[in-house]
Amino acid sequence: GDSVTQMEGPVTLSEEAFLTINCTYTATGYPSLFWYVQYPGEGLQLLLKATKADDKGSNKGFEATYRKETTSFHLEKGSVQVSDSAVYFCALTPNNAGNMLTFGGGTRLMVKP
Amino acid sequence: GAGVSQSPSNKVTEKGKDVELRCDPISGHTALYWYRQSLGQGLEFLIYFQGNSAPDKSGLPSDRFSAERTGGSVSTLTIQRTQQEDSAVYLCASSPGGQGLSGNTIYFGEGSWLTVV
Repeated sequence: GDSVTQMEGPVTLSEEAFLTINCTYTATGYPSLFWYVQYPGEGLQLLLKATKADDKGSNKGFEATYRKETTSFHLEKGSVQVSDSAVYFCALTPNNAGNMLTFGGGTRLMVKP
Repeated sequence: GAGVSQSPSNKVTEKGKDVELRCDPISGHTALYWYRQSLGQGLEFLIYFQGNSAPDKSGLPSDRFSAERTGGSVSTLTIQRTQQEDSAVYLCASSPGGQGLSGNTIYFGEGSWLTVV
């Protein structure tokens, strides 16, 4: 079945550091790919998405590119802020079976001032 | 409000009691999902509704779990004879479409925190 694997946390960075959170997936066909973020005490929010190969999703300074050849969707940000501290989830929906999301295990990011 | 609304936000119950968790999806969204977020278990799919029918119940962990949706809107997740391992955050989500509409954004509520003591 479909699966998503992302790097385990916590990831601890200083403010203004470069961020990469790795995500790889296993799925048949061409799934849609998502990054969700969960800030402390809040629900899951969609951060960005990409629906086809080579698409780049971007939002709030975060980017991720859909790489079919490496089955990856790594999340990057050039300069993190303390307010980016949260748990980040990579997820996919299959291309022909509705919208059920399959999530990775989540990566906690802690940004120190 | 305009988002997915869940109630109660927090529930503490005794082992063996039944609990009901409610979800109000975004108005007009035909697809509704329940997920469970447990410490150390990540996010686990439970059930999916398209309208009032549930084409995918594969994630329900046992027959103590059931869910229904009425009027294509509100959904209730019921857990009978709760066990301590049921303690988790139960997340509801909705999206505009369902089958065949991959890529539609799924919007989550803030969750119902269930603690079984």
